[in-house]
Amino acid sequence: NAGVTQTPKFRILKIGQSMTLQCTQDMNHNYMYWYRQDPGMGLKLIYYSVGAGITDKGEVPNGYNVSRSTTEDFPLRLELAAPSQTSVYFCASSYSGQVSNQPQHFGDGTRLSIL
Amino acid sequence: DQQVKQNSPSLSVQEGRISILNCDYTNSMFDYFLWYKKYPAEGPTFLISISSIKDKNEDGRFTVFLNKSAKHLSLHIVPSQPGDSAVYFCAACQGKTGGGADGLTFGKGTHLIIQP
Repeated sequence: NAGVTQTPKFRILKIGQSMTLQCTQDMNHNYMYWYRQDPGMGLKLIYYSVGAGITDKGEVPNGYNVSRSTTEDFPLRLELAAPSQTSVYFCASSYSGQVSNQPQHFGDGTRLSIL
Repeated sequence: DQQVKQNSPSLSVQEGRISILNCDYTNSMFDYFLWYKKYPAEGPTFLISISSIKDKNEDGRFTVFLNKSAKHLSLHIVPSQPGDSAVYFCAACQGKTGGGADGLTFGKGTHLIIQP
């Protein structure tokens, strides 16, 4: 049971480059999320999706884009990488938005450095 | 403005003793609270949660206590084991809904170290 899978695990980008962080889940979850965790800080929500074709902004969406063409996949796109985007990125999923019934399941993260 | 605060960046406890991790929140609209555990190079994993209608929830060695009037919750681990060494995140949300723009609000985490 793979759960939530994120690729790549590590990446170094130059300023101005673009990349896509991949996230896929095999639990048939409707809700998917992207968080970032800066050093010494808690996780902050970037974008979320409540189902295929539906996405919306979280707390810190600037500089990122997402799409949700299938239930399984929720890629995060960085168009013009900036040093401020150096962080660890976590993808998560849940069957519904009701944490009381099912908390979010997290992937192992992508560590991204922008130099 | 941090709405969920974990004021102890680290905590060292001897194996077999009780570990107590604390969390304070400022948003009175929060009514569901969760603890996540995170090992290095892994994602957070759900540990235990509590609704604001309760003041205690227990699951094996883990107990979470909620003091609504003080806006404070704590996680007790008894007895502490070496495998409990990890970073523990406190998280909160409104209306039991961790989905959506409100999502989960996380604290900065407390690094628990269990010493043999």
